[in-house]
Amino acid sequence: QVQLQESGPGLVKPSETLSLTCTVSGGSLSIYQWSFIRQSPGRGLEWIGSIYDSGTTNYSPSLKSRVAMSVDTSRNQFSLKLRSVTAADTAVYYCARHCRYGDYEGAFDIWGQGTMVTVS
Amino acid sequence: DIQMTQSPSSLSASVGDRVTITCRASQSITNSYLNWYQQQPGKAPQLLIYAAFNLQSGVPSRFSGSGSGADFTLTISSLQPEDFATYYCQLGFSPPSTFGQGTKLEI
Repeated sequence: QVQLQESGPGLVKPSETLSLTCTVSGGSLSIYQWSFIRQSPGRGLEWIGSIYDSGTTNYSPSLKSRVAMSVDTSRNQFSLKLRSVTAADTAVYYCARHCRYGDYEGAFDIWGQGTMVTVS
Repeated sequence: DIQMTQSPSSLSASVGDRVTITCRASQSITNSYLNWYQQQPGKAPQLLIYAAFNLQSGVPSRFSGSGSGADFTLTISSLQPEDFATYYCQLGFSPPSTFGQGTKLEI
């Protein structure tokens, strides 16, 4: 049974870089696409970006200038860096796996429990 | 960008009721790539329906999805106590991905 776990600091200072890691257990990073998604009262659920085990990434246009994702297949982990954070980046951050139903990868079928990150 | 609008924003219902939640896109969605999630307080969202009408494995059959073009619905045929939660639609292109603002289903 595949499980995802987010880890990283819960408090980040304004203008600094938010860094989170998602560890995948019970399965491999291979074949699937993986995403970070955040949720805040003011912005709702917001997709941040995705990555394949090959390192190919896609980012939300609204965050693209500040986001970088990477993957470490040896550790079965993928990571998020969000630069120049402000209070508006305060949110619960989730990592999630994209489904793989034939050619369809557009739904998130497994989620981590989420981690609260406060910018202050 | 395609915007997703859910209605209603909140809904009061009772156990046993049939409930319908609507998601409207600002333009037609190719191949009906529209997904639905349930979120309990303090928990991550859980996939219910993918690509408009496909029931995710393990999800009870009282949940169903329909629609095409720009208008989609999630129906719960007979509400159970564990169904009182917040529901989100999601534009299921890969990438990018956009969520609706949510519908809170309350007793």
